[in-house]
Amino acid sequence: GAVVSQHPSWVICKSGTSVKIECRSLDFQATTMFWYRQFPKQSLMLMATSNEGSKATYEQGVEKDKFLINHASLTLSTLTVTSAHPEDSSFYICSATVTGEHEQYFGPGTRLTVT
Amino acid sequence: AQSVTQPDIHITVSEGASLELRCNYSYGATPYLFWYVQSPGQGLQLLLKYFSGDTLVQGIKGFEAEFKRSQSSFNLRKPSVHWSDAAEYFCAVGFNTNAGKSTFGDGTTLTVKP
Repeated sequence: GAVVSQHPSWVICKSGTSVKIECRSLDFQATTMFWYRQFPKQSLMLMATSNEGSKATYEQGVEKDKFLINHASLTLSTLTVTSAHPEDSSFYICSATVTGEHEQYFGPGTRLTVT
Repeated sequence: AQSVTQPDIHITVSEGASLELRCNYSYGATPYLFWYVQSPGQGLQLLLKYFSGDTLVQGIKGFEAEFKRSQSSFNLRKPSVHWSDAAEYFCAVGFNTNAGKSTFGDGTTLTVKP
């Protein structure tokens, strides 16, 4: 149980375009989802916390107009990187949790390359 | 502010040797503690977790960790390392003031020599 999927697993897009990444909880209802960014050989950097039906809470320094997060249902959150640039190339990981629980269930990650 | 420190950036051990990866945290209350493993290009896999109770916790793949409150530590151990254990290891700390949210250490890269 507690499986989280991400789609796509990797994506290449051109500079200036937008790309959407999906995060789904497959066998449970996720009241909260987290979005992380990971650069090579570095740790996970929390970008935002997403609660179903409400606006995401962004960490300091993360541009909310650039990284649009939508958590429309208890099983789906999306991250849209708008007007992507090469410096947005990274590994994006989502995780999901249930109200009151302290464990996160991680997705497999999405590799974004902006050319 | 809460923080997590993994003092060892890179550790190399021989296959069959024992392993200990260090993790220290800074937090005013009892934290929720996790160890994850990440292979290149992959997501995170939970090895083990500590919420309460017995301070020595057993995890998957033969790993164990011990919570020492007096030292604010949660070190990960394995008695005999296998070549397939080569990966990146992350310690994470969750806080009861914000369920589900965790702070991650910078990670330790484990290399296993044949």
